[in-house]
Amino acid sequence: EIVLTQSPGTVSLSPGERATLSCRASQSVTRYNLAWYQQKPGQAPGLLIYSASSRATGIPDRFSGSGSGTDFTLTITRLEPEDFAVYYCQHYGSPSWTFGQGTKVEIK
Amino acid sequence: EVQLLESGGDLVQPGGSLRLSCAASGFTFSNYAMTWVRQPPGKGLEWVSTINNRGDETYYADSVKGRFTVSRDNSKNTLYLQMNSLTVEDPAVYYCVKGALSGDNWGQGTLVTVSS
Repeated sequence: EIVLTQSPGTVSLSPGERATLSCRASQSVTRYNLAWYQQKPGQAPGLLIYSASSRATGIPDRFSGSGSGTDFTLTITRLEPEDFAVYYCQHYGSPSWTFGQGTKVEIK
Repeated sequence: EVQLLESGGDLVQPGGSLRLSCAASGFTFSNYAMTWVRQPPGKGLEWVSTINNRGDETYYADSVKGRFTVSRDNSKNTLYLQMNSLTVEDPAVYYCVKGALSGDNWGQGTLVTVSS
């Protein structure tokens, strides 16, 4: 079973700064099966990125995904106040899903 | 607009049973696989189960295999999760999710509490 490890666990940044979130898989995965979600307090997660780098419908272009093999990255170029949340990566393992433990982006 | 509305969450005793429902609208339900994901209070996300669009293929996490059963009624646009032999490891918000490879759309969740 593939294990996803996200880092850092928590990052403190100011609005306007750049956020770089990492998701590392325990073995190489196909990029088409890697997704990112955002979850705000009290809300359900929402899909941000699928197939490692494709933005979901309605997601602003300040969000971007990259990576391949075992290392994937979610980048938020300029943090807006509404971007402070928890972010999860997810792998589809035919048929199971595996989630990373999450990265919290908090206001500095 | 895609809408997924879960219901059925409740307080149940250890060893008890519960059936969750998810009413879907805004898309052709019978064309999509559906997934259940849960989130224990204050913790991360855990995949529970996936069912294909026809309902004849089902998949489960090891933690729930043999206790939970996923099903769907395409005529009613509704997804179900029958949960039996609930334990203290099962309390969580249970989300209904559209999709099999990734979660395109999520419901708001329904809370399951297990306590004596």
